[in-house]
Amino acid sequence: AQSVAQPEDQVNVAEGNPLTVKCTYSVSGNPYLFWYVQYPNRGLQFLLKYITGDNLVKGSYGFEAEFNKSQTSFHLKKPSALVSDSALYFCAVREAATTDSWGKLQFGAGTQVVVTP
Amino acid sequence: DGGITQSPKYLFRKEGQNVTLSCEQNLNHDAMYWYRQDPGQGLRLIYYSQIVNDFQKGDIAEGYSVSREKKESFPLTVTSAQKNPTAFYLCASSGSRTVEAFFGQGTRLTVV
Repeated sequence: AQSVAQPEDQVNVAEGNPLTVKCTYSVSGNPYLFWYVQYPNRGLQFLLKYITGDNLVKGSYGFEAEFNKSQTSFHLKKPSALVSDSALYFCAVREAATTDSWGKLQFGAGTQVVVTP
Repeated sequence: DGGITQSPKYLFRKEGQNVTLSCEQNLNHDAMYWYRQDPGQGLRLIYYSQIVNDFQKGDIAEGYSVSREKKESFPLTVTSAQKNPTAFYLCASSGSRTVEAFFGQGTRLTVV
């Protein structure tokens, strides 16, 4: 069974400081990994994904994430946080390239990011 | 303007009533999904469909039903058998050329 863990319910950071949101995963095969962001009462917006290749993935709005296979982690990072980055962030995982798991996109519980001016 | 449209945005239902949430996409995606979101619990998969006229139960399908008669549409019915239906419901889709799922803006269902 696949699973995703986001160990922090909330991350607080001052504007201009680096932001990191942690994610660890468990899948039986190779993972597809994703980060999404959600603003209040809205749907999820896709930020970035890891499929294969370079372990450092760059995405939208200056976000990046690093895939670490040995630690089964996929932490989201931003070098300099903005107040507008305050939102709910979700990590998600899907087992790669198996028809049966097409729909099994498993989400973490989410991490609330609060960026203060 | 391509995307996923969920309607209505807010929905109120009396106990004992069935209610249907709409989800339409014009992205030509084969796969569509319904998730339920509750505070502090992330997103839980209700049903998903990989192709027209076929769908599978997710992790919390009890009390819900779906149909997939057209590629573009995947409506979700919340039945009276669902014990605690008040939640935020999200529809998503993905295609053979996209690995990631794209989401609608959600429907907030409240039982009154």
